[in-house]
Order: sequence, then structure tokens, then C-alpha cells
Amino acid sequence: NAGVTQTPKFQVLKTGQSMTLQCAQDMNHEYMSWYRQDPGMGLRLIHYSVGAGITDQGEVPNGYNVSRSTTEDFPLRLLSAAPSQTSVYFCASSPGGWGEKLFFGSGTQLSVL
Amino acid sequence: GENVEQHPSTLSVQEGDSAVIKCTYSDSASNYFPWYKQELGKGPQLIIDIRSNVGEKKDQRIAVTLNKTAKHFSLHITETQPEDSAVYFCAVRPAQTGANNLFFGTGTRLTVIP
Repeated sequence: NAGVTQTPKFQVLKTGQSMTLQCAQDMNHEYMSWYRQDPGMGLRLIHYSVGAGITDQGEVPNGYNVSRSTTEDFPLRLLSAAPSQTSVYFCASSPGGWGEKLFFGSGTQLSVL
Repeated sequence: GENVEQHPSTLSVQEGDSAVIKCTYSDSASNYFPWYKQELGKGPQLIIDIRSNVGEKKDQRIAVTLNKTAKHFSLHITETQPEDSAVYFCAVRPAQTGANNLFFGTGTRLTVIP
């Protein structure tokens, strides 16, 4: 049972480049979300989804896009990377939604130069 | 959004002693309060959670207490062990309709000294 799988684990981008952070879960959870973790700021919600075809913005959505075509996958896209997006990104899923009982992936460390 | 403050930022205890971490929040209508443990290089892991209609919850060596009047809740770890060393985060869910967001504290680095 893999749980929540994130790829890649590390990524370095140049300003203006685009990339997609992948997230997949095998627990058949309807709710999935993306958080970023910055030093001294805890985790902040970027986008979330309550099921296939349904997404919504969290606390810090600017500069990020998401889509949810299947229950299992919830990719996060950076269209034009900026140094302010240097962070550790965590994907999470939940069986019940509303931010309860989140299962987190192991994270993607992103550096934007 | 919700304002969550977590203290202390670092905590060192001797093995076998107790550790207490406290979080305060601003929205009196917040209704869900989880605690997460994050080990080095890993994602956060839920260790205990409590709803606003409960004052205390225990799970073996871990307990959470909630004081709604004072708007604070605390994590208590008894008989600490070296494997309890990690960063601990509290979180709060606001009460407004459709709230899927959790607001996290800034974390407490707990070190258990053998």
C-alpha cells in the first residue's frame, strides 16, 4: 500500500520555466489537496479537490493551477516559476474531506533560481 | 484567515519526562483541531485530533486538551522516548460553510534526550 506518492522529490527550475508536480493516491480518497511549507510559516493550502472534476482555491493559489481528471491523481502546475515559489510542496488526501485526517506524501523540494 | 500561534518553537526534554506544546487561535467558532508529527525528510503524519464539542482526548501516551473559552489547545506527550523527536504542528479549521482549509501553526521541534 503506497498511500500518497509524490514525484519528483527534488527539482531545480529557472525563473519563468514551467513544470508539473505529480501526486497520486491509491486509497480511493475523494479529497486531495496541495500545501506548501516555508520556514517559520507552517503549511499553507494552495488548491484542493473534493472529487474528480472539482477543484477550488485555498489560501495561496496564485501562480498555481490544478486539475482532477481521476480520483487517483491531482497534479500541481507551475506555469511560470518565480523565486517566491521556492518551497517544499506536500500533497495530501483524506477519506472524509473538510481537511480532516489528512494523509501526506513525502514532499517535493523545489528551488527556483 | 485564522491566526494560529504555536509555542514553544523548540523544546528539549529528558527521556521519560513529559512534553507540552500549546497553540492559540483567533476564531472562536473553529471546530476541528488536529496535531501532526513530521520526521526529517517525511510528510506530516496525523497523531491525534479533537473536535470542538470535546474537551480532551487521549491515545496511549498522547493527549490533546481544548479550552474553547480561552481559545487554546495543547498536545501532551507523557513518558517521552527518543523516537518522539520530531517537529510537531497544530492546525485549526475555521467554522465557515465550505471550509476545507486548515491553518497550521509554525511548528515545535521536540528533542528527547536519551
